[in-house]
Parts: sequence; C-alpha cells; structure tokens
Amino acid sequence: LAKTTQPISMDSYEGQEVNITCSHNNIATNDYITWYQQFPSQGPRFIIQGYKTKVTNEVASLFIPADRKSSTLSLPRVSLSDTAVYYCLVGDIRRGATNKLIFGTGTLLAVQP
Amino acid sequence: DGGITQSPKYLFRKEGQNVTLSCEQNLNHDAMYWYRQDPGQGLRLIYYSQIVNDFQKGDIAEGYSVSREKKESFPLTVTSAQKNPTAFYLCASSLRGQGETQYFGPGTRLLVL
Repeated sequence: LAKTTQPISMDSYEGQEVNITCSHNNIATNDYITWYQQFPSQGPRFIIQGYKTKVTNEVASLFIPADRKSSTLSLPRVSLSDTAVYYCLVGDIRRGATNKLIFGTGTLLAVQP
Repeated sequence: DGGITQSPKYLFRKEGQNVTLSCEQNLNHDAMYWYRQDPGQGLRLIYYSQIVNDFQKGDIAEGYSVSREKKESFPLTVTSAQKNPTAFYLCASSLRGQGETQYFGPGTRLLVL
C-alpha cells in the first residue's frame, strides 16, 4: 500500500487560497488519490478524488502531476469553518480490491480571522 | 434519509467488561469498516467486511471482535482483552470495490472507568 506524507499543520487566514500537498512516491498504477476532511469528534468526510491531471468540484480542486508522485488539494477562499484535519489517501478502488486504507495523521489546517 | 448511524455516542465501560458498539447503514453498501482514533492521531483500521458473513482483520484487531450477519449491520465488540480501549471509534461503509469513497458515522467515544 502506498504511504502518504503530508505536513502536520498549516495556518491560513480567511479568504485565502490554501494548498495542501501530499507526497505518495510509491503510488501504484491502479491507485486513486482521495482526500477527506475531519472536524473534531466527527467522522471524516469525503472531499474529492482523482487519478491524474485536475479534478474540481464545488468545494475543492485536486491537482495531480504527470508522475502522480504527489498531489495538491486546493481550497479556494477558506473560512473559519474550514479549520479541520485533512487526510490524503491512495488506494486501488477497483472492484474486489482489498480496500485497506491508511489514513495517517493528516494535516491540521487552522484558519484565522 | 440515507446514512450510517452509530450508537451510543458515549459509552463507559468498567475494566474487564465487554462492550458492543452498534453500526447500521441504509446505503445498501456491501463493505463496512471499523476504525479507532486516539487523540491527535489518524484512523487505524480494526476490522473490515466486504460481504455478509465475511470479515477481515485490520491492523489492530487484537482485543476486538465483529460480526456481519446482515448487510446493513456491523457491530464491534471491545473485549476485556483490549488493554487500552479508551478511544474514538468510527464506523464506515462503501460500495464494494470503491473503498476510498467511504461514508463515516458520527462515532462512539468509549471511556474505560
């Protein structure tokens, strides 16, 4: 299983764009990259998933370079409510895959007014 | 509303007692998972099940047991053999083969007295 490395914490201010980078040097051909968000005392929530290039949804963008050894979660114009832990995961999502995921410690994003 | 529920929200256990945490989903998902989270840490996989009547050990299965008699239910028993059971327990589910897109319950916080 591919291991991921993320910064332990990041600080930002309201209204700024935040980019959180995740390193996954051993990513396999069939692995996808998925990001989750977790607020204190709650379960993680799916944010975005991608395989290559760029994926965008209503809350975030995910940038994946051609070699796929890293990925960057981009949160536009963060607010105080975006303060949370963000997890980067990689894994095979094909039917029948083992589905053992490694969440790691994630990145604690602290947004200040 | 479709979703995944866990009960109770808080649970107190005396040393030497077994306790069972409930997890129910009405998303018609095949796969279900149990994670443990300690303060300031990421999630660690305890057990997972990809189909009824079948389950697999995760990374920290010792001192825990599960059953999967129904598709929508995946209860976790914390036995007296688990020496440090105080933690936040999270249940999740996903479509089989799409493990990365997991939907989490609200969690159960277990405290040993």
